[in-house]
Amino acid sequence: SYELTQPPSVSVSPGQTASITCSGDKLGDKYASWYQQKPGQSPVLVIYEDTKRPSGIPERFSGSNSANSGNTATLTISGTQAMDEADYYCQAWDSSSGVFGGGTKLTVL
Amino acid sequence: EEQLVQSGAEVKKPGESLKISCKGSRNSFTYYWIAWVRQMPGRGLEYMGIIYPGDSETKYSPSFQGQVTISADKSTSTAYLQWSSLKASDTAMYYCARLLNQDDAFDIWGQGTMVTVSS
Repeated sequence: SYELTQPPSVSVSPGQTASITCSGDKLGDKYASWYQQKPGQSPVLVIYEDTKRPSGIPERFSGSNSANSGNTATLTISGTQAMDEADYYCQAWDSSSGVFGGGTKLTVL
Repeated sequence: EEQLVQSGAEVKKPGESLKISCKGSRNSFTYYWIAWVRQMPGRGLEYMGIIYPGDSETKYSPSFQGQVTISADKSTSTAYLQWSSLKASDTAMYYCARLLNQDDAFDIWGQGTMVTVSS
C-alpha cells in the first residue's frame, strides 16, 4: 500500500523558518495537501494542490512538490509563530484512496 | 460557508452496533464527496472511505473495507458511518471531511465524534 513518510518532529525558534517534508513514491506526480491540527481540535487545511493556500491561511504558510525534489513535498512556515505549534499531516491520493502521512509535531521553542 | 456537524460522543460495549452522522449545512452537500477519517488516541489520521451523497457511490480504503459501512441520505444532507459489531480497537475520534475536488484536499472538517468501546 502507498505510504507517505514525515519526520516525527521538527523544532524551530520563533521567527525562523520551519520546513516539514513528506516523501512518497511518485509524489511529485500527485497533488499534496497539508493539514494543521492543534490539540483537541479538528484538522485544518493549510495547503492544497501543492502550493495553494485556502482563504484565511496566513501567507507565511507555503508548499512545494516536485518530482525533481526527490518526490518530496515540503511545507514551509516562514517567520514561525508560537501559534503555529501543532501537528502537521501531509495527504495525497493513490489508486482512488486517500493517504495521510504519519504526522509531524512542530515545536516552537 | 458549508459546515459539517457531527453527532455526539458515544460509549458502547464490545459487540454492540453503532451509527454516527455528519450533517451538512447547505444543499451543496449533495455535490461533494464526503470522507470519514479515524484518529485513534494519540495517533495520526487514517483515511477510511468516501461517499458521494448525490448517488451514494462509495469507496473504501482497503484497510477498512468490510469493517465499517458508509452511507448517506441526500434528502437530509447527512452522511453516516456505522459498525455492526464494535471492538475495543474501534475506540477513536472519527471525523467527516468534505473533498474539495477529485483527488484533492479535504477543505471542511466536522468537529469529530468520539467513540469509546469498553466493557
